[in-house]
Amino acid sequence: KQEVTQIPAALSVPEGENLVLNCSFTDSAIYNLQWFRQDPGKGLTSLLLIQSSQREQTSGRLNASLDKSSGRSTLYIAASQPGDSATYLCAAGTGTASKLTFGTGTRLQVTL
Amino acid sequence: DGGITQSPKYLFRKEGQNVTLSCEQNLNHDAMYWYRQDPGQGLRLIYYSQIVNDFQKGDIAEGYSVSREKKESFPLTVTSAQKNPTAFYLCASSTRGGTQAPTDTQYFGPGTRLTVL
Repeated sequence: KQEVTQIPAALSVPEGENLVLNCSFTDSAIYNLQWFRQDPGKGLTSLLLIQSSQREQTSGRLNASLDKSSGRSTLYIAASQPGDSATYLCAAGTGTASKLTFGTGTRLQVTL
Repeated sequence: DGGITQSPKYLFRKEGQNVTLSCEQNLNHDAMYWYRQDPGQGLRLIYYSQIVNDFQKGDIAEGYSVSREKKESFPLTVTSAQKNPTAFYLCASSTRGGTQAPTDTQYFGPGTRLTVL
């Protein structure tokens, strides 16, 4: 059974810092690895999707990497801003129906 | 505007009641999903549907039921058999389901918060 872990559970950084969020998964037989953002009381917003054949994806200030052999993915956020404050969730896509297994998230606060 | 809508935003249920949560999408997506989110836990899959008139149980289907009579609609019923239904419920959809879909991201609705009185 796939298990996804995110460390740290919470992180506070000053504005302008670069930061890395970590995600690990136990079963390397994944179709993809997805990163989402969730604001309090809201639904999820997709940030990046890395297919199992890819090593990384970039969108603006965000860069996600995938290392299937070690069961790890990282989300790099450059030049953090207060608007980046949210919970970041990673999810591993496995199985025959594109099912996602989610981690518990990292709650990020970017302070002025 | 394309997207996923969920209603109601807040729902209160009395003990022994069945309640139905609505999920509608106008993205022309084949696959739809229902997740439950509890504080301190990741999202857990309740039911999913890869195509109209077909659906499968997820990891925590007990006490829930679904239907998929139309492509754009995937309602979730929380029955009285669900012993701890208080949670945040999220509906999602993706272009395709199955092994064809490793490139397909899931798009989420705004959620319904269900509270048992």
